[in-house]
Amino acid sequence: QQQVKQSPQSLIVQKGGISIINCAYENTAFDYFPWYQQFPGKGPALLIAIRPDVSEKKEGRFTISFNKSAKQFSLHIMDSQPGDSATYFCAADFSGTYKYIFGTGTRLKVLA
Amino acid sequence: GAGVSQTPSNKVTEKGKYVELRCDPISGHTALYWYRQSLGQGPEFLIYFQGTGAADDSGLPNDRFFAVRPEGSVSTLKIQRTERGDSAVYLCASSLQAGTNGEQFFGPGTRLTVL
Repeated sequence: QQQVKQSPQSLIVQKGGISIINCAYENTAFDYFPWYQQFPGKGPALLIAIRPDVSEKKEGRFTISFNKSAKQFSLHIMDSQPGDSATYFCAADFSGTYKYIFGTGTRLKVLA
Repeated sequence: GAGVSQTPSNKVTEKGKYVELRCDPISGHTALYWYRQSLGQGPEFLIYFQGTGAADDSGLPNDRFFAVRPEGSVSTLKIQRTERGDSAVYLCASSLQAGTNGEQFFGPGTRLTVL
C-alpha cells in the first residue's frame, strides 16, 4: 500500500517528441506528488509537483496529469530535447510523515 | 547560494568496518533527510531530522545504522559492522521547513562500496 509503481523502466524518444512516464499508487492518503530529475552522479532535483485537488499542472515543457479516481499520475515532456536525457522519479508523500515514497525510476534517452 | 553538500563523494570499505557519511544542508534549512538509493532503484527513506532531533527514524534498516545532527545543521550517518548489502548511494536532502510545503533539495550523494 506504500508503493508507487512507475513505468516504463526505460524510454527512448526522438528529439521533438513527447515523453510520457506513468505512476500509480494505492494509498489514498497521499496528498503531494513530486517528480524528480536525476542526472548521472548528481542528486535528484525537483522538476514539478502536484496536489490531488487539481487534475493538471504545466510548467514550461513539463506537464503533470493527475487522475485521482484511478490513482494514477503521469509526466509529459513536450518537445523532448537531448538535454532531457536523465532518470525521472515520481514520488508521493502524505502530510505528517515528510518522507517521500519514490518510484523505481525511468531512464529517458532523447535521440538527437 | 551553496546547495546540499555530502562528503566523501565515494567511500570504499571492507566488510565489518565502521563508516561515517557527512551531510551539510543548505544554510537555514531546519529539516534534514537521509535516503538510500540502490542501483536501479528510487531513493528509499531512512531518517528525518527536525532541528537536532530525529523526528522519524522508521526507515533505518537495523541497529547498525545511526544518524546524528547535534547542532541542528550538519548531520552524520554512521554505519557499524558494514555488510556488502549496505553498498548504495546515500543521499541527504534538506528543506526550509518540514512537510509537503517544503521542497526537498538533494545533495549529490555518497557512493558507499563495501567489499
